[in-house]
Amino acid sequence: KAGVTQTPRYLIKTRGQQVTLSCSPISGHRSVSWYQQTPGQGLQFLFEYFSETQRNKGNFPGRFSGRQFSNSRSEMNVSTLELGDSALYLCASSPGDGNVNIQYFGAGTRLSVL
Amino acid sequence: SQKIEQNSEALNIQEGKTATLTCNYTNYSPAYLQWYRQDPGRGPVFLLLIRENEKEKRKERLKVTFDTTLKQSLFHITASQPADSATYLCALPKYSSASKIIFGSGTRLSIRP
Repeated sequence: KAGVTQTPRYLIKTRGQQVTLSCSPISGHRSVSWYQQTPGQGLQFLFEYFSETQRNKGNFPGRFSGRQFSNSRSEMNVSTLELGDSALYLCASSPGDGNVNIQYFGAGTRLSVL
Repeated sequence: SQKIEQNSEALNIQEGKTATLTCNYTNYSPAYLQWYRQDPGRGPVFLLLIRENEKEKRKERLKVTFDTTLKQSLFHITASQPADSATYLCALPKYSSASKIIFGSGTRLSIRP
């Protein structure tokens, strides 16, 4: 089975721009979660989508949004980029319907905001 | 609010010794706890899961314990090797939602030859 695929791997943007990141989960997985990782804050939960619906949300401003498509692929959008948005953005998939939630991560998208 | 704490400083261990990493949590009663390994520039990789009714779990050279009274998990790597050098993260489900996973800040482990 193919793993979680994130595109692009690297992005450079300037302040005020917007960006869209993509995540293809493991085949059969219906849950996709997004995380932001920075040296200072560690791995912070952004949101989780399950069957095209946002099921959980972290404590991030509304500039961060996401969606999930019927094939479980997910996109994350960040609008009006700020310098502090520079981070490694990770997505993780899981079956989503069990009583445990093991996260299978992609390699991440490294976003640099200049 | 819920809090997860891991050894904040890096851990340096001589090859062949046992590395022990700590994960403490507060204001939680998680049904299970997980450990992940992360290499630089890569996503975390799941290693082990231990449930609240299990005291210990083993996988090859890895051992995890879970003490729900102390609210602590210990992660051991026996016969450590330089290839074990990485950051190790513990993770728990958010109390109100099993699908929301919260990660600790991780412990960077270095195994010197």
